[in-house]
Amino acid sequence: DQQVKQNSPSLSVQEGRISILNCDYTNSMFDYFLWYKKYPAEGPTFLISISSIKDKNEDGRFTVFLNKSAKHLSLHIVPSQPGDSAVYFCAAMDTDKLIFGTGTRLQVFP
Amino acid sequence: EADIYQTPRYLVIGTGKKITLECSQTMGHDKMYWYQQDPGMELHLIHYSYGVNSTEKGDLSSESTVSRIRTEHFPLTLESARPSHTSQYLCASQDNTEAFFGQGTRLTVV
Repeated sequence: DQQVKQNSPSLSVQEGRISILNCDYTNSMFDYFLWYKKYPAEGPTFLISISSIKDKNEDGRFTVFLNKSAKHLSLHIVPSQPGDSAVYFCAAMDTDKLIFGTGTRLQVFP
Repeated sequence: EADIYQTPRYLVIGTGKKITLECSQTMGHDKMYWYQQDPGMELHLIHYSYGVNSTEKGDLSSESTVSRIRTEHFPLTLESARPSHTSQYLCASQDNTEAFFGQGTRLTVV
């Protein structure tokens, strides 16, 4: 039973536009969430995180929103750039372990 | 920049061979993890360690074994490789808020 779900396997966005990647979770006890970016044949790199005491966290072009009542979080990338093309993983911290979603492949085209 | 290293990056090996995937970190983290990822799938936790002489199996059953004799070193061993072990193996170390990943080992068993 998957506790962290990314229901969109892929997303295609034009350069300069906003990319919105979504993530749902089932365990209301999760209180810390992270987004990672992964290129093929590379390890994931940390992008941004959010604690459950907040509903928004911003870092440059990246903003993460958390809706605890809906058990939903989203990553916004504005403006999207071709270099953002990668697979994005949402993760929840469960005690000391990260539980990952299946990822969303983002493609940013010119 | 994260200081966690995995070797080899790529490995093609015959069935029945014994292999060890190396992982080292210089950040002094007690917590280290091994994940397995197949294309289009989530990262599955296969082993973790909370410090020297501590090792635990993760959520995904794996025929591999790990050891943690030194804080900085967390190698993964397959005693007899099989084609079903073909996958990407990702090592991570973690502080209280973030996991840092190595570049991964892409293993192919023929």
